[in-house]
Amino acid sequence: NAGVMQNPRHLVRRRGQEARLRCSPMKGHSHVYWYRQLPEEGLKFMVYLQKENIIDESGMPKERFSAEFPKEGPSILRIQQVVRGDSAAYFCASSPPGQGLEQFFGPGTRLTVL
Amino acid sequence: TQLLEQSPQFLSIQEGENLTVYCNSSSVFSSLQWYRQEPGEGPVLLVTVVTGGEVKKLKRLTFQFGDARKDSSLHITAAQPGDTGLYLCAGAPGNQFYFGTGTSLTVIP
Repeated sequence: NAGVMQNPRHLVRRRGQEARLRCSPMKGHSHVYWYRQLPEEGLKFMVYLQKENIIDESGMPKERFSAEFPKEGPSILRIQQVVRGDSAAYFCASSPPGQGLEQFFGPGTRLTVL
Repeated sequence: TQLLEQSPQFLSIQEGENLTVYCNSSSVFSSLQWYRQEPGEGPVLLVTVVTGGEVKKLKRLTFQFGDARKDSSLHITAAQPGDTGLYLCAGAPGNQFYFGTGTSLTVIP
């Protein structure tokens, strides 16, 4: 059973470009979470999604950031008009229905904004 | 405001030594998880503690959940270089999952 998959693993963008980060949850998992991690810091919650629904986006910046988890296909974290401060590691985690206690993480996408 | 505080933030010890890492909060959690993260990788779940006072063992690692379910500890016996990594506690008092500040452990051969 494949784990959580994220791609790309590394993404380089120039200021003002768009970044799209993809996350495929573990098979059978319908809950997806996105986190951001800055160097030497812990993980900061961004958004919690279920299929076609945003459950909690209280950790998302109000502008330029959006997330979706469509009925078919991976979850997408989209950052528009990236700035240098967006450079970070972005992790996706998934959990099975009804078991939000334990989350399984992907390897992360390291975004570098030049 | 950090919901989960971990201490120490950094820890460097010699191989074979014992250590304890702490995770504290003023909030009550229905459960707490411990993860280990290695550089360039995502966190890997080590254990979930659910019951106040619960103790779980995973080889040389012993996890304890406080009686009031506000804190937890991780004790490593006879640390090995392979134990090096960032140890994170996490919990969800509500809908949102919170991670602790992390303890960066280095075990020197």
